[in-house]
Amino acid sequence: KAGVTQTPRYLIKTRGQQVTLSCSPISGHRSVSWYQQTPGQGLQFLFEYFSETQRNKGNFPGRFSGRQFSNSRSEMNVSTLELGDSALYLCASSLGWTDSYEQYFGPGTRLTVT
Amino acid sequence: GQQVMQIPQYQHVQEGEDFTTYCNSSTTLSNIQWYKQRPGGHPVFLIQLVKSGEVKKQKRLTFQFGEAKKNSSLHITATQTTDVGTYFCAGLTNFGNQFYFGTGTSLTVIP
Repeated sequence: KAGVTQTPRYLIKTRGQQVTLSCSPISGHRSVSWYQQTPGQGLQFLFEYFSETQRNKGNFPGRFSGRQFSNSRSEMNVSTLELGDSALYLCASSLGWTDSYEQYFGPGTRLTVT
Repeated sequence: GQQVMQIPQYQHVQEGEDFTTYCNSSTTLSNIQWYKQRPGGHPVFLIQLVKSGEVKKQKRLTFQFGEAKKNSSLHITATQTTDVGTYFCAGLTNFGNQFYFGTGTSLTVIP
């Protein structure tokens, strides 16, 4: 079974721009969660989608948004990029709600904001 | 707010020595998961603990969930170079639907 895929793997953007990241979960998985990983803050939860509905949202500003499509693929958008948004963005898929099932992480998208 | 702390932040051990990382939550957890992230890689699920006082073993790895469900530990016996990486705990609170990841413990094994 193919693992979680994320595109693009690397991205360089300028402050003020916006960016869209994509995540394709493992086939059959209905839950997709997004995390931001930085050396200083560790892994921080952004949001979780299950069956196209946002189930939970972390403590991030409204510039961070996401959506999930009917095929469970998910996108994350960050508008008006700031230097502090530079991070590794990881998505994770699971069979069901993440509180009951293990999460499978993708390789991540490394975003650099200059 | 909810915090999940891990200690130590870094640990260097000689190959063959034991290693333990501790995870502490400010609130009671409904369950806890452990992940390993190799350098340059992504977190990989190791195990989930649900019951108070639960102990699970995977070969040289032993995982424990505290009686009060506010702490957990991962113990590795006789470390090997393949154990190198950062170990994260992720706790789910009783009233939340998201996992709070611990700060991680970076393990270096010296051959």
